[in-house]
Amino acid sequence: DAGITQSPRHKVTETGTPVTLRCHQTENHRYMYWYRQDPGHGLRLIHYSYGVKDTDKGEVSDGYSVSRSKTEDFLLTLESATSSQTSVYFCAISDARVVAGSYEQYFGPGTRLTVT
Amino acid sequence: DAKTTQPNSMESNEEEPVHLPCNHSTISGTDYIHWYRQLPSQGPEYVIHGLTSNVNNRMASLAIAEDRKSSTLILHRATLRDAAVYYCILRSGGAQKLVFGQGTRLTINP
Repeated sequence: DAGITQSPRHKVTETGTPVTLRCHQTENHRYMYWYRQDPGHGLRLIHYSYGVKDTDKGEVSDGYSVSRSKTEDFLLTLESATSSQTSVYFCAISDARVVAGSYEQYFGPGTRLTVT
Repeated sequence: DAKTTQPNSMESNEEEPVHLPCNHSTISGTDYIHWYRQLPSQGPEYVIHGLTSNVNNRMASLAIAEDRKSSTLILHRATLRDAAVYYCILRSGGAQKLVFGQGTRLTINP
């Protein structure tokens, strides 16, 4: 299994409070991603990073910011949490090496966030 | 991103082969076909990918139609552990991002 951990694994917070989720990898992979998954939906990309201090938006980036100050850590911040951000958040990593077009992504165990 | 169409759900029996279809009629020449699956309460995991030719690995086989407008993921001998949501995804060559659809929920009966 790829070395990816997410913290916290579960969090309950109140509307309007800031929240930071952490993704940590031990694989030295270049790319890191944050997705959210809601009931009845597939995963939707929030933000991704293609290197230290290099990030870009995904399809549902409003209300979220990210930072990557070192290769192994990718932080997702909800500046002011809202109930619509209640979701399961998954981090993923992938390597820059192209193995026959793979760009295989490895996913973390997820963080369940509830905003009350 | 090119769109894929999969059945919402499928059911099969343990130790039998399973064929999971995916339609992608708008696929472009540089799109790779990826399959991921998500077991209950876990993150997705990579299953297989291909471009034009059929592919085999330890988990599954991928059969790609000659016109590439459809593909089929084949689990040769399903086990209870194969019960999951299976996602068929098109990824543009060189692009890092994956766009997940609704997937197919596969149920395996003992």
